[in-house]
Amino acid sequence: QVQLQESGPGLVKPSGTLSLTCIVSGDSINSNNWWSWFRQPPGKGLEWIGEIYHSGNTNYNPSLKSRVTISVDKSKKQFSVKLSSVTAADTAVYYCAHRPVATPSHFDYWGQGTLVTVSS
Amino acid sequence: QSVLTQPPSVSAAPGQKATISCSGSTSNIGNNFVSWYQHLPGTAPKLLIHANNKRPSGIPDRFSGSKSGTSATLDITGVQTGDEADYYCGTWDDRLAGWVLGGGTKLTVL
Repeated sequence: QVQLQESGPGLVKPSGTLSLTCIVSGDSINSNNWWSWFRQPPGKGLEWIGEIYHSGNTNYNPSLKSRVTISVDKSKKQFSVKLSSVTAADTAVYYCAHRPVATPSHFDYWGQGTLVTVSS
Repeated sequence: QSVLTQPPSVSAAPGQKATISCSGSTSNIGNNFVSWYQHLPGTAPKLLIHANNKRPSGIPDRFSGSKSGTSATLDITGVQTGDEADYYCGTWDDRLAGWVLGGGTKLTVL
């Protein structure tokens, strides 16, 4: 059973960089899986941000690609997301998720989410 | 504007059937498998259906999925009050080279 837990600052200033970490337990971060990030702005739907494989390969949402970096720290069994130049529109609950590489794929384990507010 | 189109809301009386549609295109649903997720805001989304119509262990057979062409459908039979939640469809999009989701459908149990 994979368990994921997001952590990071709950408040970020406009134009700053949002940084969150997802701690992985119950599975090796080196296993055959993609490690993903999603978000849900208040009153809106879920949005896929991007994902990373343990090799470092990444896929990003084209609408966020210029501002997003996802990285993995194998020694700490965690992966992270950084979103730069944030505005109020980036206020959201951020979720991390696990996706098996095997096709057909899907997101089978999710974190509980963490609220990040962008405000001065 | 989501790449996949879902109705914003559906409603059903307890014991009745609810149907949620998800419409896409040849670059996403038409060429890839669809999964469905149940979400109560502020909690972890839950995988309901994967590979168009497969249920993970522990998901009741009241939940079923299907796909035809560039559309997919989630059916919930014998709707219960505990099924009130937001439901999302998702799939890979070959043109965008990324995952796309529907805008979500809120199920209200009357």
